Amino acid sequence: KNEVEQSPQNLTAQEGEFITINCSYSVGISALHWLQQHPGGGIVSLFMLSSGKKKHGRLIATINIQEKHSSLHITASHPRDSAVYICAVPNRDDKIIFGKGTRLHILP
Amino acid sequence: SAVISQKPSRDICQRGTSLTIQCQVDSQVTMMFWYRQQPGQSLTLIATANQGSEATYESGFVIDKFPISRPNLTFSTLTVSNMSPEDSSIYLCSVGSGHSYEQYFGPGTRLTVT
Repeated sequence: KNEVEQSPQNLTAQEGEFITINCSYSVGISALHWLQQHPGGGIVSLFMLSSGKKKHGRLIATINIQEKHSSLHITASHPRDSAVYICAVPNRDDKIIFGKGTRLHILP
Repeated sequence: SAVISQKPSRDICQRGTSLTIQCQVDSQVTMMFWYRQQPGQSLTLIATANQGSEATYESGFVIDKFPISRPNLTFSTLTVSNMSPEDSSIYLCSVGSGHSYEQYFGPGTRLTVT
């Protein structure tokens, strides 16, 4: 079983739709990362969270430590949100384990 | 936060040659990491670049293939040696403060080996 699993793998939506990407993990953590990777490959750190909820603009991240689950939401989605969204979690050896990512495509 | 730059941003190289990728940070950082992302795969840690000592490599990665330098607290290089098409990947540098929940990523280097 992968230590970090994301769903869905691919998601296509219309501009303006509310987007949810899920991440489940099997390791104990101090914090969880949500990252955004654009087609050129560069990665941007969106959130680091260890409890509750964080919001930045149209992006919201939530985490449930007991259920080992996190969600990333995008409100009023826009074509420029099209990217790969990656969930990442530190394992027991303090190394970051990455999910395989969710490829999001927002249609105008 | 930390601002990270990588050079080159992309390159196309011939089989058997070597490429050195540079990672520069705008502030002194404790931890620097190098990752590889093969096509369609998730990021995989290659090694931790230690300032003043040899890098610590993950299982499956060796120093002869991926020599790493870290001459100071703001700079590191990763060399991909004797390249083959299987080395075609995105190579990413990241930095951390020593706590796993604080990591910042560079823009990546897209390498294609022909």
